[in-house]
Amino acid sequence: DAKTTQPNSMESNEEEPVHLPCNHSTISGTDYIHWYRQLPSQGPEYVIHGLTSNVNNRMASLAIAEDRKSSTLILHRATLRDAAVYYCIRGLHTDKLIFGTGTRLQVFP
Amino acid sequence: NAGVMQNPRHLVRRRGQEARLRCSPMKGHSHVYWYRQLPEEGLKFMVYLQKENIIDESGMPKERFSAEFPKEGPSILRIQQVVRGDSAAYFCASSPQNSGNTIYFGEGSWLTVV
Repeated sequence: DAKTTQPNSMESNEEEPVHLPCNHSTISGTDYIHWYRQLPSQGPEYVIHGLTSNVNNRMASLAIAEDRKSSTLILHRATLRDAAVYYCIRGLHTDKLIFGTGTRLQVFP
Repeated sequence: NAGVMQNPRHLVRRRGQEARLRCSPMKGHSHVYWYRQLPEEGLKFMVYLQKENIIDESGMPKERFSAEFPKEGPSILRIQQVVRGDSAAYFCASSPQNSGNTIYFGEGSWLTVV
């Protein structure tokens, strides 16, 4: 049981921002929120993670709702290379990440 | 700093043979995880190991599958008497320690059983 809910698919145009939502309404106080992505025929790639505060790194931003029941991964300017399946994962311990079905992001030129 | 290294990248086995998949974690990482991804499906957790210890094997099939992470050398995922349903991508990941640390995945080993 992945315990997160994501849309099956989303579309974006190149150079536009993308907001990928995730619901984790049963999250506990010590669960982190992790995002990974998987390009075709490759291993999952770490994107970002956070606990309570919004987080930024060179790849993306993570906006976490105040009640922590949802979060949004923000790609500021989508490129063709960002087309992938994006997984939102909540985990008490990052030593056992349970992947759901993720959101398949398509990026159009 | 090399990433998680898996080999072989592609492996073909006949039904009934054994498959051995190897994983060298990132330098300084002492925790290894194995995941399986069947065609057109999501990643499923199989097992979590530290050096010489199996910490969590709740995702391992009860028969034919085993994993080890010896004191020296890579982690090995061993599948005995393979069947066609074992055809999948097997991903290894590593982390320096548990609780709060990101895990990093290798490129995977694609097993095809013919």
